[in-house]
Amino acid sequence: SYELTQPPSVSVSPGQTARITCSGDALSKQYAYWYLQKPGQAPVLVIYKDTERPSGIPERFSGSSSGTTVTLTISGVQAEDEADYYCQSVDKSGTYVVFGGGTKLTVL
Amino acid sequence: EVQLLESGGDLVQPGGSLRLSCAASGFTFSSYAMSWVRQAPGKGLEWVSIISHIADSTYYADSVKGRFTMSRDKSKNTLYLQMNSLRAEDTAVYYCAKTTVGVIAVAGLAGVYFDFWGQGTQVTVSS
Repeated sequence: SYELTQPPSVSVSPGQTARITCSGDALSKQYAYWYLQKPGQAPVLVIYKDTERPSGIPERFSGSSSGTTVTLTISGVQAEDEADYYCQSVDKSGTYVVFGGGTKLTVL
Repeated sequence: EVQLLESGGDLVQPGGSLRLSCAASGFTFSSYAMSWVRQAPGKGLEWVSIISHIADSTYYADSVKGRFTMSRDKSKNTLYLQMNSLRAEDTAVYYCAKTTVGVIAVAGLAGVYFDFWGQGTQVTVSS
């Protein structure tokens, strides 16, 4: 089965830049999407089509793609950004939607 | 304002059945494919199923294929997930989620993502 690989955790101090990676063979051909989820809440879309930001999402959230790895970057991290972050894409055949295992962002 | 309200979650015994509902409002329900995503306690997100805007196409995760059936009622703006032969590993919060596409392309689910989510309903499978 197809997998998207994320680091389990990332820690940064307030004001620093956080980078969360997501790797998968199909990412060179399929778009990636990013969601944040705070405890007890539903996920929220923060990046779509690798680099696009939905309306209402702060400019400090950005996405990039290189080969089979996509990266979510949060510039000037704030305490409120502490959450679990998930990447999402589809497998090579386009038959399954797949989520990464999630990355817990801790703001020190 | 887009709203998705799930209901139907409950405690059920292994082997039992349950039907989840998701009432949609604030958008043209019949124009968009919809999906179910679940999250086991302390675990990550797991995609479950998707249905096209006119219910002519459905896809399922291997973990639920043959046991779960997704459907939708245009007249009620409601999405359903019929879950049969439930197992302990089906214990999770089940979210319904709106996609940004209507037709699920012949080529598959490329480009599918979720712009709005409900708050979820808890399903617990235990004896």
